[in-house]
Amino acid sequence: QKEVEQNSGPLSVPEGAIASLNCTYSDRGSQSFFWYRQYSGKSPELIMFIYSNGDKEDGRFTAQLNKASQYVSLLIRDSQPSDSATYLCAAIGSSNTGKLIFGQGTTLQVKP
Amino acid sequence: SAVISQKPSRDICQRGTSLTIQCQVDSQVTMMFWYRQQPGQSLTLIATANQGSEATYESGFVIDKFPISRPNLTFSTLTVSNMSPEDSSIYLCSVGFGQGGTGELFFGEGSRLTVL
Repeated sequence: QKEVEQNSGPLSVPEGAIASLNCTYSDRGSQSFFWYRQYSGKSPELIMFIYSNGDKEDGRFTAQLNKASQYVSLLIRDSQPSDSATYLCAAIGSSNTGKLIFGQGTTLQVKP
Repeated sequence: SAVISQKPSRDICQRGTSLTIQCQVDSQVTMMFWYRQQPGQSLTLIATANQGSEATYESGFVIDKFPISRPNLTFSTLTVSNMSPEDSSIYLCSVGFGQGGTGELFFGEGSRLTVL
C-alpha cells in the first residue's frame, strides 16, 4: 500500500464548477498535509497546507482533513481553465523524520 | 519564499557517463532536498542534502550512484553517476521553509535528463 494515494484521473469538470480532489494516507501518525499544483512541464508549487481536522479556506481553495478517516481533500470553487494541472497531495509521516511523501497526483481538466 | 536556480535545465547524456546538477538558492536555507520525477510519475525523494556532512539517502538510493555535495547553506550539487536510460528523469532541487519546515517546499525549475 502506498503511503499517500490519489486517483490519477483525469478529473474533468466544466468551468465554474467545484472540483473535488481526494487523497488518502496510510500512516495514522501523519500530522501535516500539503497540496501542490504542477502545471505541465513546470515544477510543483505549494497551494495549501493543513494540520488540523476540519476545513481551511484560502480564496477559491478549501483543504479538508479528517484524521480519523485518514483522508485529505482539496476543493476548488468556481474552477477556471487555468486551474487545469496535476494536483499532488503530500504528507509528512510520523516515522520518516519530517520527509515529505507525495502521492501520484490527480490531473484536473477544467473545460470552458 | 526563495529563488532557486538549477543548472543545467536539460541535457542529453550518453550511457555510462556522469552529470552534475547544480542548485543555487538566493538565501540561506537549512533544509534542502533532491527529488526525482520520472516521466508521468510523482516525486520521489532521493536524499536530504546536509550542510557540512554526508547526505541522508532514501531507500533505493545510494551515495555511489547519486553523490551529493552541500558546501554551504545556499548551494548543493547532485551527480548522477554511470547513467543508464532508466535514469532519464527530471531532477528537482527543493528547499523547505515555514512552520511545516520540510513540508512547505519550494522547487527549482528542474533538470531534465535524457540518457541514450
